[in-house]
Amino acid sequence: GAVVSQHPSRVICKSGTSVKIECRSLDFQATTMFWYRQFPKQSLMLMATSNEGSKATYEQGVEKDKFLINHASLTLSTLTVTSAHPEDSSFYICSARDQFHEQYFGPGTRLTVT
Amino acid sequence: KQEVTQIPAALSVPEGENLVLNCSFTDSAIYNLQWFRQDPGKGLTSLLLIQSSQREQTSGRLNASLDKSSGRSTLYIAASQPGDSATYLCAVRNARPLNDYKLSFGAGTTVTVRA
Repeated sequence: GAVVSQHPSRVICKSGTSVKIECRSLDFQATTMFWYRQFPKQSLMLMATSNEGSKATYEQGVEKDKFLINHASLTLSTLTVTSAHPEDSSFYICSARDQFHEQYFGPGTRLTVT
Repeated sequence: KQEVTQIPAALSVPEGENLVLNCSFTDSAIYNLQWFRQDPGKGLTSLLLIQSSQREQTSGRLNASLDKSSGRSTLYIAASQPGDSATYLCAVRNARPLNDYKLSFGAGTTVTVRA
């Protein structure tokens, strides 16, 4: 089956630094990837839609200058949290859409900003 | 804007009991509805996907029904086992716009099956 990986699975960083999270589709090409954020005991909230070779589309209320998304190839999208603050601590999950429009989810990245 | 609600938020049952998880959505114009399982600190595993034209889907002990007109879906898990303990998420994809593949998620139902 289709597999999506994320790296790293956990990251702890200091306030003010930037963190990059990678999302890869391992056995299929994904023209579209999605980035979600999940706070404890809450649902997944879509942050942005990432299209290969073009700018990401951000959901209302998501700062595009803070959450930089790059979808440079059909198998890789990256999310960079710039100048991270403790309130950015969350569980970030990506998903990738295959040619049949099915979405496959990565295992998530736990970000802790101290 | 599509709103997805899941009730109850948490559920604890003894092993062997059947589970009934509810999901409701405000906009009935959906393309499909999907049920996911999420273990603590992990990503999502797709369980069942129901197209808007379907009434139910089954996989093993799992059965999901869809009543699009009333904006409801129910996930049934028969003969629950401790390994079924997890959070179950419901997500809908809207029918419009057609090229919009976004999913709207409910907050989930956290299930605990006691041995």
